[in-house]
Amino acid sequence: EAEVAQSPRYKITEKSQAVAFWCDPISGHATLYWYRQILGQGPELLVQFQDESVVDDSQLPKDRFSAERLKGVDSTLKIQPAELGDSAMYLCASSLMPSGGPKQETQYFGPGTRLLVL
Amino acid sequence: GIQVEQSPPDLILQEGANSTLRCNFSDSVNNLQWFHQNPWGQLINLFYIPSGTKQNGRLSATTVATERYSLLYISSSQTTDSGVYFCAVVYGGATNKLIFGTGTLLAVQP
Repeated sequence: EAEVAQSPRYKITEKSQAVAFWCDPISGHATLYWYRQILGQGPELLVQFQDESVVDDSQLPKDRFSAERLKGVDSTLKIQPAELGDSAMYLCASSLMPSGGPKQETQYFGPGTRLLVL
Repeated sequence: GIQVEQSPPDLILQEGANSTLRCNFSDSVNNLQWFHQNPWGQLINLFYIPSGTKQNGRLSATTVATERYSLLYISSSQTTDSGVYFCAVVYGGATNKLIFGTGTLLAVQP
């Protein structure tokens, strides 16, 4: 069964350092999502891509976070510089249909990257 | 924006017991999914169920879209059912982002 892949699974860094997370969606999925989950809460969307284009990045802290999906396949989320409050689980998800298409479809999540900023 | 509330917030069961988890949402939705987040943080798809009833083994779910709620039933619970259960919805807007509920923390004791 096809799965969303993420790496690394765990990352410990010091504040002010740069970190990067990678996601490979299920093959053929047009839409890719990055969510952040703070301990004790549900995930919240950071950025959504349709193919290589950003559809929604309204909740992405753009002064320190950046995301790209250059070839419309895998994606990288970067934080520079990391802050203590960035400690969280970063989840990637993908879905088959492009944004603007039917909203009735399943999103599939990867295993996540757990970030700890010291 | 839409509000998604789940109840109960916490639940402790003995192995073999049955349970019902509820998800209430404050507006019409296009999509509703139930997830189980295991102790390692993995979000596992349980059901895609914007309306109607579905069953998968010991789990079943019902969404009554007109009344803005969904129920997840767990029968004959096992210790591996422990974790956090989230419902999540997509509504309106130009994007398909999921809005997650408040979650139910389930602990199944042997």
